Amino acid sequence: GAVVSQHPSRVICKSGTSVKIECRSLDFQATTMFWYRQFPKQSLMLMATSNEGSKATYEQGVEKDKFLINHASLTLSTLTVTSAHPEDSSFYICSASRLAGVRGHGDTQYFGPGTRLTVL
Amino acid sequence: SQQGEEDPQALSIQEGENATMNCSYKTSINNLQWYRQNSGRGLVHLILIRSNEREKHSGRLRVTLDTSKKSSSLLITASRAADTASYFCATVGTSNTGKLIFGQGTTLQVKP
Repeated sequence: GAVVSQHPSRVICKSGTSVKIECRSLDFQATTMFWYRQFPKQSLMLMATSNEGSKATYEQGVEKDKFLINHASLTLSTLTVTSAHPEDSSFYICSASRLAGVRGHGDTQYFGPGTRLTVL
Repeated sequence: SQQGEEDPQALSIQEGENATMNCSYKTSINNLQWYRQNSGRGLVHLILIRSNEREKHSGRLRVTLDTSKKSSSLLITASRAADTASYFCATVGTSNTGKLIFGQGTTLQVKP
């Protein structure tokens, strides 16, 4: 159990286009999902916390109008990179918490396989 | 923001040897977790240690936590070539948000 999927796994787009990445918890409900970005040979940087039914909470320095997050159901969160530019090229990873009753206080996060975004 | 520092940044050992990675953090934590990431892949959760625990074992993994020094170590015993990966520590703070803050990671190469 506790499988998280991401789609697509890899996307190449032209500069100026928008790209949507989906994150799904396949066999559990996750009221909280997290989005990370990882540049080559670097660690994961938390971008935002996505709570089902409410607005996402963005980390300092992350543009909320650039990275639109929607968490419409207990099993799906989407990240849309709007008007993508080459500097947005990165590995985007989501994770989901299997909550134990308290919002945002899951102990273990289950990670998706990541989405490699390349903006030409 | 990244609060964890990991040491060493890179480690190369022979199969069968033990590998030790260290992690330091800055703020109070609820728990600390270790993850593995194979190149270009997602993360695999290895082990979680809570702030009131000092040591935890899982198979060939041993994790220690010293909250007074704000540090943790991950020991992989009898390493295998398949253990080659990047290893990250990540902390969950006491603010009840569940956010994971990752360290910079250690790249481990185990030579057959």
